[in-house]
Amino acid sequence: DAGVIQSPRHEVTEMGQEVTLRCKPISGHDYLFWYRQTMMRGLELLIYFNNNVPIDDSGMPEDRFSAKMPNASFSTLKIQPSEPRDSAVYFCASSTRPFTDTQYFGPGTRLTVL
Amino acid sequence: SQQGEEDPQALSIQEGENATMNCSYKTSINNLQWYRQNSGRGLVHLILIRSNEREKHSGRLRVTLDTSKKSSSLLITASRAADTASYFCATDASSKIIFGSGTRLSIRP
Repeated sequence: DAGVIQSPRHEVTEMGQEVTLRCKPISGHDYLFWYRQTMMRGLELLIYFNNNVPIDDSGMPEDRFSAKMPNASFSTLKIQPSEPRDSAVYFCASSTRPFTDTQYFGPGTRLTVL
Repeated sequence: SQQGEEDPQALSIQEGENATMNCSYKTSINNLQWYRQNSGRGLVHLILIRSNEREKHSGRLRVTLDTSKKSSSLLITASRAADTASYFCATDASSKIIFGSGTRLSIRP
């Protein structure tokens, strides 16, 4: 298996623009997680899905953030409109069980909002 | 506040020496995991220890868990340059997995 795939790896955009981050989990993993990592706040769980259904989105910072999982092999995290404080590395991870098993992380998307 | 806090925040040792990192947490857990993150990369799972376990080994890694003190330690023996990375503990609490702030380990040649 290729592991968790994220795209793009780097994104530079201007404030106010829409940003869409993409993730392909490991096949057979029922759980998908979106994290954000910054120097100030560390690694934060934004939202996670089970069998394509959002289970907990309490970590999503604002209504500007939304996430979808239309099928078992694809998820998106969208920020609209983007702001400079959204600059961070966004990771996607997948696992077979939510918190009692290994999470496999993607390489991350480094987002810079100017 | 963070569920897991690593200590120290940064550690620099000579290649070949042992490195010890600690993690303290606040609430009861079912398990605790350690992850490694190389610069510019995603996290990689190292080891998971369950609340009913006290010690676990994996290669040069040794993890201990003291639930009475709500703390865990990660020992890397005979360190190598490739061990240079950030190390995070992660605990399950309130139906979430919460990562600590990490220890940055540097191995000097």
